[in-house]
Amino acid sequence: NAGVTQTPKFQVLKTGQSMTLQCAQDMNHEYMSWYRQDPGMGLRLIHYSVGAGITDQGEVPNGYNVSRSTTEDFPLRLLSAAPSQTSVYFCASSPGPSGPYNEQFFGPGTRLTVL
Amino acid sequence: ELKVEQNPLFLSMQEGKNYTIYCNYSTTSDRLYWYRQDPGKSLESLFVLLSNGAVKQEGRLMASLDTKARLSTLHITAAVHDLSATYFCAVGKDNAGNMLTFGGGTRLMVKP
Repeated sequence: NAGVTQTPKFQVLKTGQSMTLQCAQDMNHEYMSWYRQDPGMGLRLIHYSVGAGITDQGEVPNGYNVSRSTTEDFPLRLLSAAPSQTSVYFCASSPGPSGPYNEQFFGPGTRLTVL
Repeated sequence: ELKVEQNPLFLSMQEGKNYTIYCNYSTTSDRLYWYRQDPGKSLESLFVLLSNGAVKQEGRLMASLDTKARLSTLHITAAVHDLSATYFCAVGKDNAGNMLTFGGGTRLMVKP
């Protein structure tokens, strides 16, 4: 199992550009989430999904879109990049109600810089 | 609004010493997670604490949960250099452990 994979690992954007961060998991997990981590801080939830076709907003959703057409994939779209979106982005997945601990497994992260 | 606070934010300690990291949270939850993060790396799950009075140990780390006090502790026994990392606690907004709210992290540096 590859676990949770994210691409790209690094990305530099100019203000106003759009892009999609990719996330995939091969553990058949129901739940997937996107977090951002700013320097010296904990992670903050952007969007999450409890199953294919179902998404909802987290703590800091503005400027981001998500969709979940399959169980495996959960892409994060930046609509019009801003310097405030410079951060490290982590995708996570968890079993959902079928798992006793519902432990979240994190991907390796995407380091994004917006100039 | 769920808030999670850790202290201390930074901890420098000598090898062989003991210390405790504290995690306080503001609303009721029966599930708390501890993660470790090395510089430039992702998060590694350490412990999942599911109920009041839960205690889990792995090597030199022991975590406990007091849901009535809304407090979890991560105790380090006889620290070694390899434990140097940032440690995060996180609480789920629902009792299933989804929608995690993280503490600000405790950066631990263990000196030889």
